[in-house]
Amino acid sequence: DVKVTQSSRYLVKRTGEKVFLECVQDMDHENMFWYRQDPGLGLRLIYFSYDVKMKEKGDIPEGYSVSREKKERFSLILESASTNQTSMYLCASRGGYSSYEQYFGPGTRLTVT
Amino acid sequence: GNSVTQMEGPVTLSEEAFLTINCTYTATGYPSLFWYVQYPGEGLQLLLKATKADDKGSNKGFEATYRKETTSFHLEKGSVQVSDSAVYFCALSDSGSSASKIIFGSGTRLSIRP
Repeated sequence: DVKVTQSSRYLVKRTGEKVFLECVQDMDHENMFWYRQDPGLGLRLIYFSYDVKMKEKGDIPEGYSVSREKKERFSLILESASTNQTSMYLCASRGGYSSYEQYFGPGTRLTVT
Repeated sequence: GNSVTQMEGPVTLSEEAFLTINCTYTATGYPSLFWYVQYPGEGLQLLLKATKADDKGSNKGFEATYRKETTSFHLEKGSVQVSDSAVYFCALSDSGSSASKIIFGSGTRLSIRP
């Protein structure tokens, strides 16, 4: 079974802190994604990566950056956390051209106070 | 641009009731369509998919048919169980390329009463 793991299930940070959210997948997938999930808004794509060191902005990249130094790991970085970044963050991975399914991690619920 | 619209929740049903969750989409070309489910405290998982018009996806008693003429992909189940309580997301993928994104609807929360 594909496994996508995220470093924390719950995280509480202060405004202005630098926050790292880590995601690791074990299926050698090329594509990895970061979403945030908010009530009534569904999932919104923050950033995605289709290869090591490659990244593309999603729909709401402002205030975030990402890093993909190894194929299995995709990190989301909040350079200076703000209260409006309080949310559920979901990581996903997906295989190559013929694969449609995204596999999701359990999510990290981040609270910024 | 591409988008997905699904019925707002929450939807509350009694056990063994019939379920329909409506989903319509706007897309250019020939998207693939999906239903994902999120159980409490978990990430999303794929429930079913359909990759071309008139395909029917099915899994765990759930079904959805890709209707190109009405741009719809409604989710149905004949007899729901308490264990079906979850949030359901309709989604589309706009191409088969490895870098293509999946666009999600806003989700519909389903609660089943015993």
